[in-house]
Amino acid sequence: ETGVTQTPRHLVMGMTNKKSLKCEQHLGHNAMYWYKQSAKKPLELMFVYNFKEQTENNSVPSRFSPECPNSSHLFLHLHTLQPEDSALYLCASSQDQGGVGYEQYFGPGTRLTVT
Amino acid sequence: AQRVTQPEKLLSVFKGAPVELKCNYSYSGSPELFWYVQYSRQRLQLLLRHISRESIKGFTADLNKGETSFHLKKPFAQEEDSAMYYCALSRNNNAGNMLTFGGGTRLMVKP
Repeated sequence: ETGVTQTPRHLVMGMTNKKSLKCEQHLGHNAMYWYKQSAKKPLELMFVYNFKEQTENNSVPSRFSPECPNSSHLFLHLHTLQPEDSALYLCASSQDQGGVGYEQYFGPGTRLTVT
Repeated sequence: AQRVTQPEKLLSVFKGAPVELKCNYSYSGSPELFWYVQYSRQRLQLLLRHISRESIKGFTADLNKGETSFHLKKPFAQEEDSAMYYCALSRNNNAGNMLTFGGGTRLMVKP
């Protein structure tokens, strides 16, 4: 499959569960991103990885834990979430070489519901 | 801190009418601005960026630093333009390409 893929597409979890979201990019990019899109707020950047190194944590609570084992894969580990964490979680990638902003390619998202 | 504002959540026009989707930003550095679009049942994708100064699908956007605006315009709207449009500002501090998005405007083009 080409582009940016995300699994699962839908996830329902309880507040005490532990789950993980997976993102994979097949574009040869070196930067990957997690965004949160909720109904009442603009799309929010959560984490940035550049060459597998986390370069940005946008004040995200510790119940969200990212992992980037290589430049093609990005995970978001979830534990003890709150109902307000229910949202669409988008993954994106780009070929970031510093300087000018490069186009980000987005995945289809994971719709998360915390019960 | 950077901020992007799209004052209209919904814009409804008739086919063939001109369209202007507003975007204002605040940023202390030199801004790089983008418009992203999300059509129904499709993923978010880039529409255009200000540095390219190009027209995509008939849309153009001019960066006005004096007014800190980057409005998206099209002279004659088509039904297939109906979508969610997001204005975004990029900052790059050599640690990655960070995008700050506006809240989005839903464009509905009526027949």
